[in-house]
Amino acid sequence: GAVVSQHPSWVICKSGTSVKIECRSLDFQATTMFWYRQFPKQSLMLMATSNEGSKATYEQGVEKDKFLINHASLTLSTLTVTSAHPEDSSFYICSARDLGRDSGYEQYFGPGTRLTVT
Amino acid sequence: GQNIDQPTEMTATEGAIVQINCTYQTSGFNGLFWYQQHAGEAPTFLSYNVLDGLEEKGRFSSFLSRSKGYSYLLLKELQMKDSASYLCAVSLNTGGFKTIFGAGTRLFVKA
Repeated sequence: GAVVSQHPSWVICKSGTSVKIECRSLDFQATTMFWYRQFPKQSLMLMATSNEGSKATYEQGVEKDKFLINHASLTLSTLTVTSAHPEDSSFYICSARDLGRDSGYEQYFGPGTRLTVT
Repeated sequence: GQNIDQPTEMTATEGAIVQINCTYQTSGFNGLFWYQQHAGEAPTFLSYNVLDGLEEKGRFSSFLSRSKGYSYLLLKELQMKDSASYLCAVSLNTGGFKTIFGAGTRLFVKA
């Protein structure tokens, strides 16, 4: 149980285009999902906290108009990178919490999406 | 501000024991995680400590001292497959219980 999927696994896009990444909790309801970005040989940097039915909370320095987050249901959150540039190339990882479990503190990570902007 | 420190790299020998330290200064604390991450993959959960003391789980143990803002991950009977990055992360009791990560410690296990 507690599986989180991401789609796509990897994507290559041209500079200036937009890319949407989906994060799904497959066997539990996730009221809260988190989006992280990881550059090579660096740790995970929290971008935003996504709450179902409300606006996402962005970390300082993350442009909310560039990284659009939608959490329309308890099993799906999407991250859209708008007008992508090469510096947006990174590994994007989502995670979800299942507060219905005894181990509600635990985050379950998706497999990640590798974005390359050319 | 939030700060989590851990060594950048460590090297150990197969079969040995290695201890990876982590210190943190955060506003709000709701537990400390250790994750393992292989290159190009998502992190996998290793341990969670919210109370002081040692938690043992097979070859892996994790210790927490909240008063000192200190934790360590102990890996016993090292295997080559343990070569990975180990991430120390703190769950905050603010902002939706978000979790912030340290920079990670890259562990190299040699034969």
